Amino acid sequence: GAVVSQHPSRVICKSGTSVKIECRSLDFQATTMFWYRQFPKQSLMLMATSNEGSKATYEQGVEKDKFLINHASLTLSTLTVTSAHPEDSSFYICSARVAGETQYFGPGTRLLVL
Amino acid sequence: EDQVTQSPEALRLQEGESSSLNCSYTVSGLRGLFWYRQDPGKGPEFLFTLYSAGEEKEKERLKATLTKKESFLHITAPKPEDSATYLCAATYNNNDMRFGAGTRLTVKP
Repeated sequence: GAVVSQHPSRVICKSGTSVKIECRSLDFQATTMFWYRQFPKQSLMLMATSNEGSKATYEQGVEKDKFLINHASLTLSTLTVTSAHPEDSSFYICSARVAGETQYFGPGTRLLVL
Repeated sequence: EDQVTQSPEALRLQEGESSSLNCSYTVSGLRGLFWYRQDPGKGPEFLFTLYSAGEEKEKERLKATLTKKESFLHITAPKPEDSATYLCAATYNNNDMRFGAGTRLTVKP
């Protein structure tokens, strides 16, 4: 199957700082990538859909100015959590869609904001 | 709003004890039904995609089936390494993938 990587796998930061998470498709080009967040023992919640070369589409309730998404190439999408606060601590997972409907997921990034 | 509901929430099996996980979904506009496995602290690992009622797919001890209103993930003679959370997801005409809450499977040796 298609391989998706994320970096970093884990990050700890101080409240008020910004954190950038990278999502890469390693062996394929992805015109569409997705960003999810997952709280402990809960399922994945879609945050936004990232389309190469255009603005991301955010889900209702997700602040676009707080969660900046850039999809500058067919293999890279980035999520920047701006002015992070403790309530932003979560597990962030990206995915990429190959041909058809199937999404392949990255390994996730654990963010802890102190 | 499109809904994906999984049951049971948690399932504990003895090694070798076969069982099934259920996923019911909003029928209207379904484009695809997906099963993923997620281990703690990791991203979901793709297992199966099903597109039409009657379709079945198998991989090792797992078999996924799809009816007009639900999907089942059958686990035959499970082993401890099959312990994980199994996620069901569905895509609809708006292309969004909606996830169920998952079933936490524990297989005891």
